[in-house]
Amino acid sequence: TQLLEQSPQFLSIQEGENLTVYCNSSSVFSSLQWYRQEPGEGPVLLVTVVTGGEVKKLKRLTFQFGDARKDSSLHITAAQPGDTGLYLCAGDFGNEKLTFGTGTRLTIIP
Amino acid sequence: EAQVTQNPRYLITVTGKKLTVTCSQNMNHEYMSWYRQDPGLGLRQIYYSMNVEVTDKGDVPEGYKVSRKEKRNFPLILESPSPNQTSLYFCASSLLPRGATDTQYFGPGTRLTVL
Repeated sequence: TQLLEQSPQFLSIQEGENLTVYCNSSSVFSSLQWYRQEPGEGPVLLVTVVTGGEVKKLKRLTFQFGDARKDSSLHITAAQPGDTGLYLCAGDFGNEKLTFGTGTRLTIIP
Repeated sequence: EAQVTQNPRYLITVTGKKLTVTCSQNMNHEYMSWYRQDPGLGLRQIYYSMNVEVTDKGDVPEGYKVSRKEKRNFPLILESPSPNQTSLYFCASSLLPRGATDTQYFGPGTRLTVL
């Protein structure tokens, strides 16, 4: 069973600070997605990355896919309270199934 | 509005009492799946369906059943619920089962407590 590890598990920072969360695996991903889940709701897709070394930006969020396609990071610049939520990475290990990480619970303090 | 709906949103039941959680999508998606979300374990797939009358086990299928008689509906059935099935359940759909390249649309979740 392929495992996806996310770190940190919990992160609480002040509004305006920058942060990075990580998603790592010992296996190569065919592709990887990042989702955000808010309390009482289902996960919502933020981005899909498919090429090693790929960088995608979504406003203040920057997603990077590792060159070897075994890891990914999400960097948030100038965090805002609206960024609060559970961030999940989900990878495809070539079997066309999504394997989810355990998530990073992010809290932005106003 | 494109959406995945689940009912009920909250359910408290007792051990052994059969229950069904309904899931419906209005996007004409072929692929549907059920996940459970538990603290520290993330989202784990229970069952999935590639199309009508085509279903298969995910990673944690024990104690669950599903059916796909219509494209839009994918109910999750617990024939004899047990306390270890207390969890937060999500239904999801996507146009095609392309792993992490297609967008998965998730329902709002069903919080189930089995006493």
